[in-house]
Amino acid sequence: DAKTTQPPSMDCAEGRAANLPCNHSTISGNEYVYWYRQIHSQGPQYIIHGLKNNETNEMASLIITEDRKSSTLILPHATLRDTAVYYCIVEGHYTGTASKLTFGTGTRLQVTL
Amino acid sequence: AAGVIQSPRHLIKEKRETATLKCYPIPRHDTVYWYQQGPGQDPQFLISFYEKMQSDKGSIPDRFSAQQFSDYHSELNMSSLELGDSALYFCASSPGLGYTFGSGTRLTVV
Repeated sequence: DAKTTQPPSMDCAEGRAANLPCNHSTISGNEYVYWYRQIHSQGPQYIIHGLKNNETNEMASLIITEDRKSSTLILPHATLRDTAVYYCIVEGHYTGTASKLTFGTGTRLQVTL
Repeated sequence: AAGVIQSPRHLIKEKRETATLKCYPIPRHDTVYWYQQGPGQDPQFLISFYEKMQSDKGSIPDRFSAQQFSDYHSELNMSSLELGDSALYFCASSPGLGYTFGSGTRLTVV
């Protein structure tokens, strides 16, 4: 079962920041927070991941609360091409095994003019 | 940079036929995952391989089998196809941290 809770849908005006929340209250100490997005029928695309510190890359920023029970993905200047389903996934890493990503229902972000 | 390659991109099969989907991971990625995504659904984990051994198994029907070969590519074999098997099938690979997905194979069973 997915370990995260996300709103089913959000709207954002083009050029504005999109802030996508995710709750993961049962996260354990060795589990990472991953964000992926899926644009219609394409393969899921990696966005960013973090353990406990905030992270930023060329696509987005990830803000993780101090207790690690929730996080927010920030797309600083949303464009129409950012319209997609965004998945927040919590997963651990263990030496010698392959931890799978378990997808929940995600947030469908619609960017509008 | 090389990505995860899946073939074929599209496949049409009749009921009760057999299909084989192939996945070529990113070089030096030792782990492969298979996912199934039905229409309007989220990706569902099927099976994974780490260093050519089955690592984890999800909701994969007994009619499906998979393996990872010595060159790390993987094949998903699907027999006695049913209409409900129509879906997108994604493969992902990982070097241990982080996952890269392929573009998927769209299987249509008629």
